[in-house]
Amino acid sequence: EAQVTQNPRYLITVTGKKLTVTCSQNMNHEYMSWYRQDPGLGLRQIYYSMNVEVTDKGDVPEGYKVSRKEKRNFPLILESPSPNQTSLYFCASSRASGGLAYNEQFFGPGTRLTVL
Amino acid sequence: AQSVTQLDSHVSVSEGTPVLLRCNYSSSYSPSLFWYVQHPNKGLQLLLKYTSAATLVKGINGFEAEFKKSETSFHLTKPSAHMSDAAEYFCVVTRNTGGFKTIFGAGTRLFVKA
Repeated sequence: EAQVTQNPRYLITVTGKKLTVTCSQNMNHEYMSWYRQDPGLGLRQIYYSMNVEVTDKGDVPEGYKVSRKEKRNFPLILESPSPNQTSLYFCASSRASGGLAYNEQFFGPGTRLTVL
Repeated sequence: AQSVTQLDSHVSVSEGTPVLLRCNYSSSYSPSLFWYVQHPNKGLQLLLKYTSAATLVKGINGFEAEFKKSETSFHLTKPSAHMSDAAEYFCVVTRNTGGFKTIFGAGTRLFVKA
């Protein structure tokens, strides 16, 4: 089954304790992206990756890191989480062929993060 | 710069009546526009997309949207609401200028009354 998986689905942590949220897709997509969803703000893009070893900032990158060492994986790293990073996080992927701007993004199930 | 404005944060309709969810965009380029739906405690699913091939776009579950360049709008409609349509809907624009960013509107929550 074609899918985007995220782990963990739920995480409660404390301020300053480094964490990683994993994202993996099995569709051989070139493009991957991380979003955070907050009430009344919709989804905001954190980072995206056009392909292996190619990453770029979205609109809200502060406090986050990413890496793209393999095509299927795109982990999100919070090196020193703070309470304002409490949010619902989504990973997405899309193929690049045919014009990236026109292609559907496939979303993971989400990771609900609480930073105390 | 590109942006997306969803004009209503909440819309309430009765089952069987039409649905209208409004979206305005601003874009320096010919935009790619999407509508995604998020059911409670679920991920996001594509409803439909505009990619310049046709201004009236049909999507899943009876939804459609019309791209109006003169009004910079991409409103989502459905002739007859069903209880299962209750969800949050997002209008989305992508931009591909020296990078590839995705801009979401703030979302419109649709309530459907029996």
